[in-house]
Amino acid sequence: GAGVSQSPSNKVTEKGKDVELRCDPISGHTALYWYRQSLGQGLEFLIYFQGNSAPDKSGLPSDRFSAERTGGSVSTLTIQRTQQEDSAVYLCASSFDRAGETQYFGPGTRLLVL
Amino acid sequence: GEDVEQSLFLSVREGDSSVINCTYTDSSSTYLYWYKQEPGAGLQLLTYIFSNMDMKQDQRLTVLLNKKDKHLSLRIADTQTGDSAIYFCAEKAGGGADGLTFGKGTHLIIQP
Repeated sequence: GAGVSQSPSNKVTEKGKDVELRCDPISGHTALYWYRQSLGQGLEFLIYFQGNSAPDKSGLPSDRFSAERTGGSVSTLTIQRTQQEDSAVYLCASSFDRAGETQYFGPGTRLLVL
Repeated sequence: GEDVEQSLFLSVREGDSSVINCTYTDSSSTYLYWYKQEPGAGLQLLTYIFSNMDMKQDQRLTVLLNKKDKHLSLRIADTQTGDSAIYFCAEKAGGGADGLTFGKGTHLIIQP
């Protein structure tokens, strides 16, 4: 597609449930990034993929968070046993490669944990 | 560690110029960015500047970089109501860092 797409656009879940968030990067972009935007913390980097591997997982806030990328394209961010503090907007971005100077962002998934 | 600071709010009159300022701490920054976020929307890349440049102009937007003082600014000429948004400053650090470090964002408020 023309831009980065994410699904779902909104997700409401109950505390303790698992959620999966999906990101479709711009075609041909090998680098993919996940960020989280919350009122208290602003925009935080979570994880980076180059192809299917994730050399930088430094931003994942806990072991309840994991991500994978298959076929060098679509990525899924999984949050297990969700907590209320996980409520945030989860943003995905892609760039042509790791050295790419520009990251293009998707519209985000708004997650609300009740 | 890396830190990016911005003022939270800026109010300007329609037709005036807006200047949004940002300071950063990482001297190894390679690229610096300005992103725009409108209500309920994702981040839109406005412009970026490589760290060895001191100015970049793109239509109504002018970016100034003072690397010595680690200060970045975004000037929007002839501010319009459609410019009302949150503007984020971000840096890409050197040394192999991959994620961007963002400021908290500046809310630009346009007065009629």
